[in-house]
Amino acid sequence: DQQVKQNSPSLSVQEGRISILNCDYTNSMFDYFLWYKKYPAEGPTFLISISSIKDKNEDGRFTVFLNKSAKHLSLHIVPSQPGDSAVYFCAASNNAGKSTFGDGTTLTVKP
Amino acid sequence: NAGVTQTPKFRILKIGQSMTLQCTQDMNHNYMYWYRQDPGMGLKLIYYSVGAGITDKGEVPNGYNVSRSTTEDFPLRLELAAPSQTSVYFCASSSGTGGMNTEAFFGQGTRLTVV
Repeated sequence: DQQVKQNSPSLSVQEGRISILNCDYTNSMFDYFLWYKKYPAEGPTFLISISSIKDKNEDGRFTVFLNKSAKHLSLHIVPSQPGDSAVYFCAASNNAGKSTFGDGTTLTVKP
Repeated sequence: NAGVTQTPKFRILKIGQSMTLQCTQDMNHNYMYWYRQDPGMGLKLIYYSVGAGITDKGEVPNGYNVSRSTTEDFPLRLELAAPSQTSVYFCASSSGTGGMNTEAFFGQGTRLTVV
């Protein structure tokens, strides 16, 4: 049973517009959520995170929203840039230090 | 400023052969992880370690072994390679557990093909 789901395998947006990537989880014991970005032939790199005690965290063009009651989080990128084209992984962790990853969403930002 | 270094980057193995994927980190992180990523899928945890001398199984440990004799190194051993082990392997490390300590730093990956 997949505990972290990213239901959209791909997303295409126009440069300058907003990109919204979604993630759902099932385990209520998760207390920290992370987004990673991955370019081809590279390892994932950390992008932004949020604790379960918050509902929003912002870092420049990137904002993560957490809705605990719905077990849902989303990553907003505004404005989207062609360099944002990559695979985005949602991950959730508990205090055991292990993260569970979703299958990823491939974002394409068109110039 | 190396971070997490994996070797080799690419490898082709024949069925039944064995090999060791090397991973080393220079950030003095206690936690280290091995993941595999199959095409179109997310990262599945193979093994992890919370410190030197301590290892534990992840979601998909069958066919693999690990050791952690030092803080820096966390090699992954494949004893009898099978086609199902064709994948991209990522090593990662983090400073600990809880909050920002959970943020993991990844190596560039090893693309393994078993034929």
